[in-house]
Amino acid sequence: DGGITQSPKYLFRKEGQNVTLSCEQNLNHDAMYWYRQDPGQGLRLIYYSQIVNDFQKGDIAEGYSVSREKKESFPLTVTSAQKNPTAFYLCASSLGTLGNTEAFFGQGTRLTVV
Amino acid sequence: QKEVEQNSGPLSVPEGAIASLNCTYSDRGSQSFFWYRQYSGKSPELIMFIYSNGDKEDGRFTAQLNKASQYVSLLIRDSQPSDSATYLCAVNKWGRDDKIIFGKGTRLHILP
Repeated sequence: DGGITQSPKYLFRKEGQNVTLSCEQNLNHDAMYWYRQDPGQGLRLIYYSQIVNDFQKGDIAEGYSVSREKKESFPLTVTSAQKNPTAFYLCASSLGTLGNTEAFFGQGTRLTVV
Repeated sequence: QKEVEQNSGPLSVPEGAIASLNCTYSDRGSQSFFWYRQYSGKSPELIMFIYSNGDKEDGRFTAQLNKASQYVSLLIRDSQPSDSATYLCAVNKWGRDDKIIFGKGTRLHILP
């Protein structure tokens, strides 16, 4: 089955720790995205990548980092510099650069700071 | 001005009636427009996409696009209780800065 897999589904982080959220896709999509969603809010773009070994900051990149070493994978690290990391994190992918395609989402990771 | 704006709602519509959801966008270079449905605690799923001015129909759903007014809407005919969800409008501009931007979403509640 083709799709996007995010792991873990739930993640708990202690104050001051870095954590990495996994996102893998087997759809052969070029573009991948990370969004953050807070309760009752829409999706805010953290980082996006249109091609391997290249990525751009979105609207709320501070305190986050990403890598795109493989087409299939786009992990997100939430660093200790992110002051309010508790949120629902969504990874998405699309065919990419032509823009004429929709984004497909993983099932999300719910991160909680304890 | 936010890039993609939606009324947050909640929008309450009687079962069987037409629900009308609206979205405006700021970037005239936007080329692709999407409507996603999101149930509480779940990830968004694509309902409709539209690229050209006018109407596009798919079953009970109709997307309408007016690029001159920078306006896109979603109509849901014969609303069902299962349509109760948050509807997210998304916009993509082609080119070097190709990224998908979402609005905050409109909560729709279908009254039985």
